[in-house]
Amino acid sequence: ELKVEQNPLFLSMQEGKNYTIYCNYSTTSDRLYWYRQDPGKSLESLFVLLSNGAVKQEGRLMASLDTKARLSTLHITAAVHDLSATYFCAVDRYTGTASKLTFGTGTRLQVTL
Amino acid sequence: DTEVTQTPKHLVMGMTNKKSLKCEQHMGHRAMYWYKQKAKKPPELMFVYSYEKLSINESVPSRFSPECPNSSLLNLHLHALQPEDSALYLCASSQVSYLGGNTEAFFGQGTRLTVV
Repeated sequence: ELKVEQNPLFLSMQEGKNYTIYCNYSTTSDRLYWYRQDPGKSLESLFVLLSNGAVKQEGRLMASLDTKARLSTLHITAAVHDLSATYFCAVDRYTGTASKLTFGTGTRLQVTL
Repeated sequence: DTEVTQTPKHLVMGMTNKKSLKCEQHMGHRAMYWYKQKAKKPPELMFVYSYEKLSINESVPSRFSPECPNSSLLNLHLHALQPEDSALYLCASSQVSYLGGNTEAFFGQGTRLTVV
Protein backbone atom coordinates (compact mmCIF):
# COMPACT_ATOMS: atom_id res chain seq x y z
CA GLU A 1 0.00 0.00 0.00
CA LEU A 2 1.34 3.40 -0.98
CA LYS A 3 2.08 5.73 1.93
CA VAL A 4 2.88 9.39 1.52
CA GLU A 5 4.27 11.30 4.47
CA GLN A 6 5.03 14.97 4.84
CA ASN A 7 6.97 16.80 7.45
CA PRO A 8 6.58 18.99 9.23
CA LEU A 9 2.84 18.81 9.78
CA PHE A 10 2.77 22.39 11.00
CA LEU A 11 5.23 25.15 10.27
CA SER A 12 5.23 28.62 11.73
CA MET A 13 7.80 30.87 10.14
CA GLN A 14 8.60 34.54 10.06
CA GLU A 15 8.36 36.64 6.94
CA GLY A 16 11.62 36.71 5.06
CA LYS A 17 12.82 33.31 6.26
CA ASN A 18 13.51 30.20 4.19
CA TYR A 19 12.25 26.70 4.87
CA THR A 20 11.73 23.30 3.23
CA ILE A 21 8.79 20.91 3.38
CA TYR A 22 9.57 17.23 2.79
CA CYS A 23 7.44 14.58 1.11
CA ASN A 24 8.41 10.91 1.34
CA TYR A 25 6.55 8.13 -0.45
CA SER A 26 6.85 4.39 -0.11
CA THR A 27 6.65 2.98 -3.67
CA THR A 28 7.45 4.02 -7.21
CA SER A 29 5.22 6.67 -8.72
CA ASP A 30 4.40 8.05 -12.15
CA ARG A 31 4.13 11.70 -11.17
CA LEU A 32 4.29 13.85 -8.10
CA TYR A 33 2.19 16.95 -7.52
CA TRP A 34 2.23 19.80 -5.05
CA TYR A 35 -1.06 21.49 -4.19
CA ARG A 36 -2.00 24.48 -2.08
CA GLN A 37 -5.26 24.65 -0.13
CA ASP A 38 -6.62 27.74 1.62
CA PRO A 39 -9.07 27.19 4.51
CA GLY A 40 -12.47 26.04 3.27
CA LYS A 41 -11.30 26.12 -0.35
CA SER A 42 -10.40 23.63 -3.02
CA LEU A 43 -6.97 22.51 -4.19
CA GLU A 44 -4.78 24.71 -6.35
CA SER A 45 -2.15 22.93 -8.41
CA LEU A 46 1.35 24.35 -7.89
CA PHE A 47 3.77 21.92 -9.55
CA VAL A 48 3.82 18.70 -11.53
CA LEU A 49 7.09 16.75 -11.31
CA LEU A 50 7.49 14.02 -13.89
CA SER A 51 10.99 12.61 -13.65
CA ASN A 52 14.00 12.13 -11.44
CA GLY A 53 15.89 15.34 -10.87
CA ALA A 54 12.98 17.53 -11.95
CA VAL A 55 13.06 21.02 -10.48
CA LYS A 56 10.37 23.64 -10.94
CA GLN A 57 10.14 27.16 -9.59
CA GLU A 58 7.31 29.65 -9.36
CA GLY A 59 7.88 32.84 -7.43
CA ARG A 60 9.08 32.04 -3.91
CA LEU A 61 8.36 28.32 -4.23
CA MET A 62 10.63 25.68 -5.70
CA ALA A 63 9.87 21.96 -5.93
CA SER A 64 12.22 19.09 -6.65
CA LEU A 65 11.96 15.35 -7.09
CA ASP A 66 14.39 12.53 -6.30
CA THR A 67 12.75 9.30 -7.42
CA LYS A 68 15.60 7.13 -6.19
CA ALA A 69 15.19 8.44 -2.65
CA ARG A 70 11.38 8.66 -3.13
CA LEU A 71 11.58 12.20 -1.85
CA SER A 72 10.19 15.52 -3.01
CA THR A 73 10.86 18.88 -1.43
CA LEU A 74 9.04 22.20 -1.53
CA HIS A 75 11.39 25.04 -0.70
CA ILE A 76 10.08 28.41 0.39
CA THR A 77 12.34 31.41 -0.11
CA ALA A 78 11.83 34.68 1.80
CA ALA A 79 8.34 33.77 2.97
CA VAL A 80 5.52 36.29 2.83
CA HIS A 81 2.18 36.24 4.66
CA ASP A 82 0.28 35.38 1.45
CA LEU A 83 1.94 31.96 1.42
CA SER A 84 0.06 30.93 4.56
CA ALA A 85 -1.99 27.85 3.58
CA THR A 86 -1.89 24.06 3.75
CA TYR A 87 0.41 22.37 1.25
CA PHE A 88 -0.11 18.81 0.07
CA CYS A 89 2.11 16.60 -2.01
CA ALA A 90 0.33 13.88 -3.98
CA VAL A 91 1.70 10.80 -5.68
CA ASP A 92 0.11 9.59 -8.90
CA ARG A 93 0.18 5.88 -9.72
CA TYR A 94 -1.39 4.29 -12.79
CA THR A 95 -3.20 1.06 -11.91
CA GLY A 96 -3.65 -0.18 -15.47
CA THR A 97 -7.15 1.20 -15.74
CA ALA A 98 -6.92 4.61 -14.10
CA SER A 99 -4.61 6.90 -12.19
CA LYS A 100 -4.86 7.21 -8.43
CA LEU A 101 -3.70 10.26 -6.54
CA THR A 102 -2.62 9.56 -2.97
CA PHE A 103 -2.15 12.68 -0.89
CA GLY A 104 0.38 13.32 1.80
CA THR A 105 -0.63 14.28 5.30
CA GLY A 106 -0.35 17.99 4.53
CA THR A 107 1.77 20.79 5.99
CA ARG A 108 -0.01 23.76 7.47
CA LEU A 109 2.16 26.81 6.91
CA GLN A 110 1.68 29.95 8.93
CA VAL A 111 3.80 32.95 8.00
CA THR A 112 3.94 35.60 10.69
CA LEU A 113 4.99 39.23 10.43
CA ASP B 1 -11.86 26.72 -20.06
CA THR B 2 -10.01 24.92 -17.28
CA GLU B 3 -12.90 24.81 -14.88
CA VAL B 4 -14.51 21.97 -13.01
CA THR B 5 -17.86 23.15 -11.71
CA GLN B 6 -19.54 21.56 -8.70
CA THR B 7 -23.04 22.16 -7.43
CA PRO B 8 -24.26 22.83 -4.88
CA LYS B 9 -21.50 24.60 -2.95
CA HIS B 10 -23.16 23.80 0.37
CA LEU B 11 -25.64 21.08 1.29
CA VAL B 12 -27.33 20.22 4.56
CA MET B 13 -29.27 16.97 4.58
CA GLY B 14 -30.99 14.74 7.06
CA MET B 15 -30.08 11.11 7.52
CA THR B 16 -33.21 9.95 5.70
CA ASN B 17 -32.85 12.30 2.73
CA LYS B 18 -31.73 11.52 -0.80
CA LYS B 19 -29.62 14.14 -2.54
CA SER B 20 -27.15 14.38 -5.39
CA LEU B 21 -23.90 16.22 -5.96
CA LYS B 22 -23.09 17.30 -9.49
CA CYS B 23 -19.83 17.92 -11.29
CA GLU B 24 -19.29 19.22 -14.81
CA GLN B 25 -16.24 19.84 -16.98
CA HIS B 26 -15.85 20.93 -20.61
CA MET B 27 -12.15 20.32 -21.06
CA GLY B 28 -12.66 17.06 -22.95
CA HIS B 29 -11.22 15.09 -20.05
CA ARG B 30 -12.17 11.40 -20.02
CA ALA B 31 -11.23 10.64 -16.40
CA MET B 32 -13.29 11.98 -13.52
CA TYR B 33 -12.89 11.52 -9.80
CA TRP B 34 -14.66 11.93 -6.48
CA TYR B 35 -12.63 12.69 -3.37
CA LYS B 36 -13.76 13.13 0.22
CA GLN B 37 -11.92 15.48 2.58
CA LYS B 38 -12.55 15.66 6.30
CA ALA B 39 -11.46 18.72 8.26
CA LYS B 40 -7.69 19.02 8.66
CA LYS B 41 -7.12 15.81 6.68
CA PRO B 42 -5.89 15.12 3.14
CA PRO B 43 -8.38 14.29 0.37
CA GLU B 44 -9.16 10.58 0.04
CA LEU B 45 -10.08 8.99 -3.26
CA MET B 46 -13.57 7.51 -3.48
CA PHE B 47 -14.24 6.73 -7.15
CA VAL B 48 -12.58 7.02 -10.55
CA TYR B 49 -14.39 6.94 -13.90
CA SER B 50 -12.43 6.42 -17.07
CA TYR B 51 -14.27 6.78 -20.39
CA GLU B 52 -17.55 6.87 -18.46
CA LYS B 53 -16.88 3.48 -16.87
CA LEU B 54 -16.25 2.99 -13.17
CA SER B 55 -12.57 2.05 -12.89
CA ILE B 56 -11.87 2.39 -9.20
CA ASN B 57 -14.13 2.12 -6.15
CA GLU B 58 -12.14 2.51 -2.97
CA SER B 59 -14.48 0.29 -0.93
CA VAL B 60 -16.92 3.16 -0.47
CA PRO B 61 -20.19 2.34 1.38
CA SER B 62 -23.18 1.79 -0.86
CA ARG B 63 -24.95 4.85 0.55
CA PHE B 64 -22.70 6.71 -1.91
CA SER B 65 -23.61 5.91 -5.51
CA PRO B 66 -21.63 7.47 -8.37
CA GLU B 67 -22.92 7.97 -11.88
CA CYS B 68 -21.26 9.22 -15.06
CA PRO B 69 -24.04 9.88 -17.59
CA ASN B 70 -21.69 11.32 -20.21
CA SER B 71 -18.11 12.44 -20.65
CA SER B 72 -18.77 15.90 -19.15
CA LEU B 73 -20.88 15.03 -16.13
CA LEU B 74 -20.29 13.16 -12.89
CA ASN B 75 -22.87 12.73 -10.16
CA LEU B 76 -22.68 11.41 -6.63
CA HIS B 77 -26.02 10.19 -5.29
CA LEU B 78 -26.38 10.23 -1.53
CA HIS B 79 -28.84 8.19 0.51
CA ALA B 80 -29.16 7.41 4.22
CA LEU B 81 -25.94 9.18 5.13
CA GLN B 82 -24.52 9.37 8.63
CA PRO B 83 -23.26 12.47 10.46
CA GLU B 84 -19.68 11.17 10.05
CA ASP B 85 -20.12 11.54 6.27
CA SER B 86 -20.06 15.31 6.71
CA ALA B 87 -17.07 16.54 4.73
CA LEU B 88 -15.90 18.50 1.69
CA TYR B 89 -16.56 16.48 -1.47
CA LEU B 90 -14.22 17.31 -4.31
CA CYS B 91 -14.63 16.41 -7.95
CA ALA B 92 -11.66 16.35 -10.32
CA SER B 93 -11.00 15.57 -13.95
CA SER B 94 -7.97 14.76 -16.07
CA GLN B 95 -7.06 13.63 -19.54
CA VAL B 96 -6.25 9.99 -20.16
CA SER B 97 -2.75 9.75 -21.60
CA TYR B 98 -2.14 7.33 -24.47
CA LEU B 99 1.18 6.55 -22.79
CA GLY B 100 -0.62 5.19 -19.74
CA GLY B 101 -1.66 7.13 -16.74
CA ASN B 102 -3.50 10.39 -16.71
CA THR B 103 -2.45 13.99 -17.00
CA GLU B 104 -2.76 16.60 -14.28
CA ALA B 105 -6.03 16.59 -12.36
CA PHE B 106 -8.06 19.78 -12.09
CA PHE B 107 -10.23 20.11 -9.01
CA GLY B 108 -13.61 21.73 -8.57
CA GLN B 109 -14.42 24.07 -5.69
CA GLY B 110 -16.08 21.30 -3.73
CA THR B 111 -19.41 20.75 -2.01
CA ARG B 112 -19.46 21.26 1.73
CA LEU B 113 -21.84 18.54 3.00
CA THR B 114 -23.35 18.52 6.47
CA VAL B 115 -25.44 15.54 7.57
CA VAL B 116 -27.78 16.24 10.50
